[in-house]
Amino acid sequence: SQKIEQNSEALNIQEGKTATLTCNYTNYSPAYLQWYRQDPGRGPVFLLLIRENEKEKRKERLKVTFDTTLKQSLFHITASQPADSATYLCALDPPPGNTGKLIFGQGTTLQVKP
Amino acid sequence: DTAVSQTPKYLVTQMGNDKSIKCEQNLGHDTMYWYKQDSKKFLKIMFSYNNKELIINETVPNRFSPKSPDKAHLNLHINSLELGDSAVYFCASSPGLAGGAYEQYFGPGTRLTVT
Repeated sequence: SQKIEQNSEALNIQEGKTATLTCNYTNYSPAYLQWYRQDPGRGPVFLLLIRENEKEKRKERLKVTFDTTLKQSLFHITASQPADSATYLCALDPPPGNTGKLIFGQGTTLQVKP
Repeated sequence: DTAVSQTPKYLVTQMGNDKSIKCEQNLGHDTMYWYKQDSKKFLKIMFSYNNKELIINETVPNRFSPKSPDKAHLNLHINSLELGDSAVYFCASSPGLAGGAYEQYFGPGTRLTVT
């Protein structure tokens, strides 16, 4: 079955630095990969979607890469701010791909210190 | 206006009871979902509906019964609650079923505690 792994250890960085979060997957080649942000006590909020034929996607200070050979996506936040502190989830669509189903990783918690 | 809303926000009940969680979306989406997030923060899909039709049932115990009276509403009824049902339940919606091609919009969650 499809498996997604995100670094379960919290990532602590200094304000202004670039945060890089990793999402690895196995046993499948998804057509899409999504990233969400979840704050404590709230539902996940969609951030970015990247397709298998896209190497990179950007939105303001966010950048996502998708390496289908390595089966890995990297999520970057440049010029990080304390307000970026949250848990970040990656998700992919397993086969058959027409059910709306997403499989989520367990998330990586980012803490940006001022 | 809240895009995806759920009620109640908190639900504390005893083992063996029956409870319901309601969800409504005002985004005009065709597809709605129920997810369960356990204490380890894993978010797992339980059900999906498309235009009131059940699409996914992820081997959830049949004590859980979703109902979609119309495409803007998806309710979750749970019979004979067990301790292991304690979790946060999220409702979500998306424009369609095309796999990961659509972003999903999540509600604020319902924290269910079974004592």
